[in-house]
Amino acid sequence: IAGITQAPTSQILAAGRRMTLRCTQDMRHNAMYWYRQDLGLGLRLIHYSNTAGTTGKGEVPDGYSVSRANTDDFPLTLASAVPSQTSVYFCASSEHGYSNQPQHFGDGTRLSIL
Amino acid sequence: GQQLNQSPQSMFIQEGEDVSMNCTSSSIFNTWLWYKQDPGEGPVLLIALYKAGELTSNGRLTAQFGITRKDSFLNISASIPSDVGIYFCAGQLRSGGSNYKLTFGKGTLLTVNP
Repeated sequence: IAGITQAPTSQILAAGRRMTLRCTQDMRHNAMYWYRQDLGLGLRLIHYSNTAGTTGKGEVPDGYSVSRANTDDFPLTLASAVPSQTSVYFCASSEHGYSNQPQHFGDGTRLSIL
Repeated sequence: GQQLNQSPQSMFIQEGEDVSMNCTSSSIFNTWLWYKQDPGEGPVLLIALYKAGELTSNGRLTAQFGITRKDSFLNISASIPSDVGIYFCAGQLRSGGSNYKLTFGKGTLLTVNP
């Protein structure tokens, strides 16, 4: 079934460690996004990419980095995890970042930083 | 930035009842989207609305794009237990001549009593 695959599904991580969350889509969508979801704050955009080779900052980019080496993959890296980064992380994609086509989401990665 | 006010925050209803929830904003949007999120999963797109005044149905779900472009509602008729979940509205607007930015409401938690 076509869609977005995120890995791992959950992770417990010690503070200060480096962590990469993986996201792969097979819909050949040009645009990809990373959100974090926190109770009472809803979904907030971390970073996005309109096409392979380009990335941009969202609403809450600090402490996170992304890369887009190809169309299908959009990994999110926490260089040195802190407890405030405990959250559920969702990857999403849309056909184009410059169009109003809706975004489709993966099932999330639940990350706990101790 | 833009903010969406989604109401109600939660609803507890009996199976078979109709449900209505809405989102309002002080800013206009080009697109309104409604998503449903089940526990442990990512948001799934239910309905996308692209024109002011548009009324769209998806099975027992009906959503409308407000005439002012600042609001949208979602109705669920004859609710069933599997309607349980969190429903999110999202408004989409082109930001700064570049990407379409998605702004989410904080969600409506729906509980259906069999």
